[in-house]
Amino acid sequence: KNEVEQSPQNLTAQEGEFITINCSYSVGISALHWLQQHPGGGIVSLFMLSSGKKKHGRLIATINIQEKHSSLHITASHPRDSAVYICAGNFGNEKLTFGTGTRLTIIP
Amino acid sequence: EPEVTQTPSHQVTQMGQEVILRCVPISNHLYFYWYRQILGQKVEFLVSFYNNEISEKSEIFDDQFSVERPDGSNFTLKIRSTKLEDSAMYFCASQTGGNYGYTFGSGTRLTVV
Repeated sequence: KNEVEQSPQNLTAQEGEFITINCSYSVGISALHWLQQHPGGGIVSLFMLSSGKKKHGRLIATINIQEKHSSLHITASHPRDSAVYICAGNFGNEKLTFGTGTRLTIIP
Repeated sequence: EPEVTQTPSHQVTQMGQEVILRCVPISNHLYFYWYRQILGQKVEFLVSFYNNEISEKSEIFDDQFSVERPDGSNFTLKIRSTKLEDSAMYFCASQTGGNYGYTFGSGTRLTVV
């Protein structure tokens, strides 16, 4: 069964802290996506990875194929980073299988 | 930046009524999707659409659901006879090809009363 699991479910941190959100997935993934869901509900695609590492601004996503694990890092976190971060995978087709999300709250 | 547009943003309907959720995908995208998220739960796949036909559908996408691309630009999800458990946020997404990222719409919150 295609599965994507995230941890932690909830994360609260002080402004400026380095944030790490983890994602593990089952065998058969072809691409791993990191998404951000705003409080209003809208979903924004952050990264798509099949290997290595990608960086965009203060966000960094890494994937370790052998360990079936990906991480999303946020450097110098800011209250505007508060959102739900979702890991999702393609398992040999175009549809996404979603994780349950990590609710991140950054306190000023 | 090109956007996927969904309308309406919020719809309240009586149980048993038909609803049509509308989406305008990005014009040069080839793959289209509907997903839903029941409050407090994870996002679930409903259906994918490519080359003017359904390419895959989930167990949720039963005979009460249908999708259409009526005029080559709009992409609609119809629920024929809504149930209370259809209350959810429905997201449309599009993708230029299988190896590219997705663009999601901002969602339609459907409330069935």
